[in-house]
Amino acid sequence: GESVGLHLPTLSVQEGDNSIINCAYSNSASDYFIWYKQESGKGPQFIIDIRSNMDKRQGQRVTVLLNKTVKHLSLQIAATQPGDSAVYFCAETVNYGQNFVFGPGTRLSVLP
Amino acid sequence: NAGVTQTPKFRILKIGQSMTLQCTQDMNHNYMYWYRQDPGMGLKLIYYSVGAGITDKGEVPNGYNVSRSTTEDFPLRLELAAPSQTSVYFCASSFTGGYTFGSGTRLTVV
Repeated sequence: GESVGLHLPTLSVQEGDNSIINCAYSNSASDYFIWYKQESGKGPQFIIDIRSNMDKRQGQRVTVLLNKTVKHLSLQIAATQPGDSAVYFCAETVNYGQNFVFGPGTRLSVLP
Repeated sequence: NAGVTQTPKFRILKIGQSMTLQCTQDMNHNYMYWYRQDPGMGLKLIYYSVGAGITDKGEVPNGYNVSRSTTEDFPLRLELAAPSQTSVYFCASSFTGGYTFGSGTRLTVV
C-alpha cells in the first residue's frame, strides 16, 4: 500500500507485482517530463521521459503515462524486482528547457 | 567518458570553515547545476549555469557561490559553513533531455 511517512511517501509492493508511482506536477505549461531513479547512496539516474504531445511512452519494463488535464504523471513498473527498490522522482520543465523542477520523490520498497 | 565527477565524496567541516566542492564533466554539456538533498527529501536547486561565464541563482543560493570559467568545471563554494548546510550535494550537467548526475558529496557541518 501507499503511505505518507515523515518525509517521503513510501510504496511497498510484492516482488513480481506491478508498481505504479504517481506524481502531481505543478505547472500547466510544462511540456517535458522525466522520471529519475535514485538508489541509496547514489545520484539520480534517468529512467524515461515523455513530451506533452504524448500521453503514454513505454520502455523496458517501465511505462510513463501523462494526463495533462489533471496535471498527473505516473510511472508503471512491470514485474517489480528487488533492484527496483529506490526513490523515484518526477521532473518537469517548460519549453523543453533545461531547468527542471523536481517533485518530492516516492520511495519504492520491494518486499520478498 | 567519465560523465560527471564530484570530489570529495565525504567531508566534515567545522562551523565557520570554508570549502569548495568540485564538479567536472567531460561530455561538453553547456548546462550545469548544483542541487542539495536533505535526508529523506527531494532536490533543491542551489545554482545553475547555461554556459561558461554565466551563472544564476536557484531556489536556495544563500551561503553558496559558484563560478564557471570553463565548460567542464563548475565548483561550488561554501564560505562560512553552517549546520544548516549539512546535506548531500549533487552536481549535474545536461545538453538536451535529462540530466546526468554525479555521485554526490556528503557534507556534515559540526
